[in-house]
Parts: sequence; C-alpha cells; structure tokens
Amino acid sequence: NAGVTQTPKFQVLKTGQSMTLQCAQDMNHEYMSWYRQDPGMGLRLIHYSVGAGITDQGEVPNGYNVSRSTTEDFPLRLLSAAPSQTSVYFCASGVTGAVASPLHFGNGTRLTVT
Amino acid sequence: SQQGEEDPQALSIQEGENATMNCSYKTSINNLQWYRQNSGRGLVHLILIRSNEREKHSGRLRVTLDTSKKSSSLLITASRAADTASYFCATEGVYNFNKFYFGSGTKLNVKP
Repeated sequence: NAGVTQTPKFQVLKTGQSMTLQCAQDMNHEYMSWYRQDPGMGLRLIHYSVGAGITDQGEVPNGYNVSRSTTEDFPLRLLSAAPSQTSVYFCASGVTGAVASPLHFGNGTRLTVT
Repeated sequence: SQQGEEDPQALSIQEGENATMNCSYKTSINNLQWYRQNSGRGLVHLILIRSNEREKHSGRLRVTLDTSKKSSSLLITASRAADTASYFCATEGVYNFNKFYFGSGTKLNVKP
C-alpha cells in the first residue's frame, strides 16, 4: 500500500503565484486534512474534510483553498503565494466517526515562497 | 486554542536510559495521541489514549493521561539510537471533533 502520497516534494514559488499541492490516499479513509509545520510551532491545521463534498476550516485557513471531489484526493490550493506561506505542508488521512483512530501522514511538501 | 505543549523542548540521553516527555493541553479532550517524526519525514502514529483511560502500553512505550491536570506523559524505556526523533502530542477536543491540535514537540537525541 502506498498510504498517503504528496506531490511535489519540493516547490519554489514567487510571491503572487498560485499552485496546488496534491494529496492522495489509497486506504479509503473518509477523513483527510492539511497541516503546515513551521520551526518551533508544531503542526497547525489548515483545512480538513470528513468526506467527498464536505470541507471545513482549521486554525490557519486564510490564503488556502480546498475541495474534495473524491474520497482519494484532497488538493490544497494556494491562491496567491506569500513569503509567510513558506513552510512544510503535510497531508493526513484517517477514519472518521465516533471511534478515535490515528492519522496517517504523507512525507510532506517543502514550499519556499520568495 | 487547545494546542498541546510538550516539555522539555529537547532531551539528550544515552542509549539504554529511559526518556520521559510531557504534554499539557487546555480544554477537555476525546483522546490524545503521540506521534514520532524522523528528520525530513512525515509523522508516524505511536499510541492513542482515550479520555476515559489512564495508562496504555505498547512495546517500550508507556503513556499516561491525567485529565484532571490536563496532561499526558510518554515514557520510552531502554532507549535506542533509532529512537532519535521529534515526538508530538495531538489532542482531539470534545467540542472540536475531527480537529487535531499538535504541540510544538520534544526533540529526543539518543547517543550511542
């Protein structure tokens, strides 16, 4: 099983450019989420989804857009990149519902905005 | 925010010693999870403890949860060089279902 796959691994953008970070999972997980990790700040939740067609905001949603058209994919769009969005981005998936379950993480996308 | 905070921020020990790291959080939780992150990689789930549980074991890992103090601890016994990584706690709140809040992590260095 591939688990959670994130592409690209590295990306450099100029201020104002837009791009989409891809996330795909092959575990049939209903729950998917995006985090950013900055030095000394831990992971902060950007957006999450509990199923196709359902998305909601996390702690730091501004400047990011998501949609969920299939169970497998949960892309993260940067609308107009800013240097403050330089970070490592992680996608995670899991089983949703009343029973708590662990998150499965991808290996991250390292984004630099100049 | 109910974000967890780990303590200490960094810990350096010799192989074979035990490592203890602590996590404190702010609001009532459904569950608390511990994750490990090796340098340049994604997070890997270690153990999950529910709010009605006080202690859980998994191999060399022991997790405790004290909901009255809003704190948890992760003990790694007989540490190995391969345990060198950053460790994070994550909480899912009672009033923030499906939102997982991570602390800033403890960086553990196990010297051979």
